[in-house]
Amino acid sequence: DAGVIQSPRHEVTEMGQEVTLRCKPISGHDYLFWYRQTMMRGLELLIYFNNNVPIDDSGMPEDRFSAKMPNASFSTLKIQPSEPRDSAVYFCASSADRGASYEQYFGPGTRLTVT
Amino acid sequence: QKEVEQNSGPLSVPEGAIASLNCTYSDRGSQSFFWYRQYSGKSPELIMFIYSNGDKEDGRFTAQLNKASQYVSLLIRDSQPSDSATYLCAVTPLGDYKLSFGAGTTVTVRA
Repeated sequence: DAGVIQSPRHEVTEMGQEVTLRCKPISGHDYLFWYRQTMMRGLELLIYFNNNVPIDDSGMPEDRFSAKMPNASFSTLKIQPSEPRDSAVYFCASSADRGASYEQYFGPGTRLTVT
Repeated sequence: QKEVEQNSGPLSVPEGAIASLNCTYSDRGSQSFFWYRQYSGKSPELIMFIYSNGDKEDGRFTAQLNKASQYVSLLIRDSQPSDSATYLCAVTPLGDYKLSFGAGTTVTVRA
């Protein structure tokens, strides 16, 4: 299995532009998570899906952020308009429900820089 | 109070020594506890999970959980330079799949 795939790996954009991050989870995994990591705030959960349905989006910072999962093999995280404070590494992770011992597999991340 | 707190680093240990990492959590209803390792510029990877009080050993790693004290720890025995990384403690609440992460402790193993 190729693992969790994220694209792009690096994104540099100007303030005010729309940014779309993409994720392909591991086949057969029914949970998908979007995280953001910064030096100041550490690793934060933004939103997670179960069977393509958003379960908890309480970590989404504001209305500029939106996430979708149109099918079991694809998810997007969109920021519109982007701001310099959105600069971070965004990770996608997926897991399968195996009770208390489930493991989340992380993708390589997208490093976003907003100038 | 943060949900998950880890002992501040960085932690520097000589090769072959034991590295001890600590983590406390605020939600007494937390169910499962995880230790992730993150190399610089890479994504986190799971190295241990524990959900019952006591010790759990996997190779050179031992996780210890004390739910009464809301405390989980990770011991790395016979530390190797390849163990140099940031170690993240993560906790899930009962009946949920959300992971709350601590800020991480950076470990450097000196050759």
